Amino acid sequence: EVQLVESGGVVVQPGGSLRLSCAASGFTFDDYAMHWVRQAPGKGLEWVSLISWDGGSTYYADSVKGRFTISRDNSKNSLYLQMNSLRAEDTALYYCAKDISHSSGIMDVWGKGTTVTVSS
Amino acid sequence: DIQMTQSPSSLSASVGDRVTITCRASQSISSYLNWYQQKPGKAPKLLIYAASSLQSGVPSRFSGSGSGTDFTLTISSLQPEDFATYYCQQSYSTPGITFGQGTRLEIK
Repeated sequence: EVQLVESGGVVVQPGGSLRLSCAASGFTFDDYAMHWVRQAPGKGLEWVSLISWDGGSTYYADSVKGRFTISRDNSKNSLYLQMNSLRAEDTALYYCAKDISHSSGIMDVWGKGTTVTVSS
Repeated sequence: DIQMTQSPSSLSASVGDRVTITCRASQSISSYLNWYQQKPGKAPKLLIYAASSLQSGVPSRFSGSGSGTDFTLTISSLQPEDFATYYCQQSYSTPGITFGQGTRLEIK
């Protein structure tokens, strides 16, 4: 079964840091680009970041550029999101999602998400 | 950034109804348009990609059409499990991916 499981979401103070993880199984992880997408409480979906199959190319939404870093470890079938200088507006459910191919932008498998709350 | 605008924002319909949701892009995106369904407390699910291609396992009552700036998602005969929020998403400017604001489909 193709599966993505996120972890690492907690309550953190403004200005703090956090690292999210996403464990992949059931498919050849290093064949696909991967995404992070977030959803603030009661709001719509916002794309956050994309990493190529080999980690050689990374891209970010303007709202997180310079604060978040996406990475992957293909030997561990894992995706990460390092989040620094967190703000209240980063509070959201964070999903990892598998691209349908090499950075097509189409997301065909999603995890259940992990919740990040930025609050003092 | 390419802006995606869905209409309506919410919609009430009955089981068996034919429903159409519209998505408009702020510039031409060819056929790089995808549709997702999200049920409360669940992750989004890919329904349609490349404007009209049905994702594997998705019922044939779902269909998509359009190109350029105007797109539609049609559900031919609403089933109880179809009541959810639907999002369009453009992948034309990947990695600058953007979603529509969502259309909430409710039971009348």
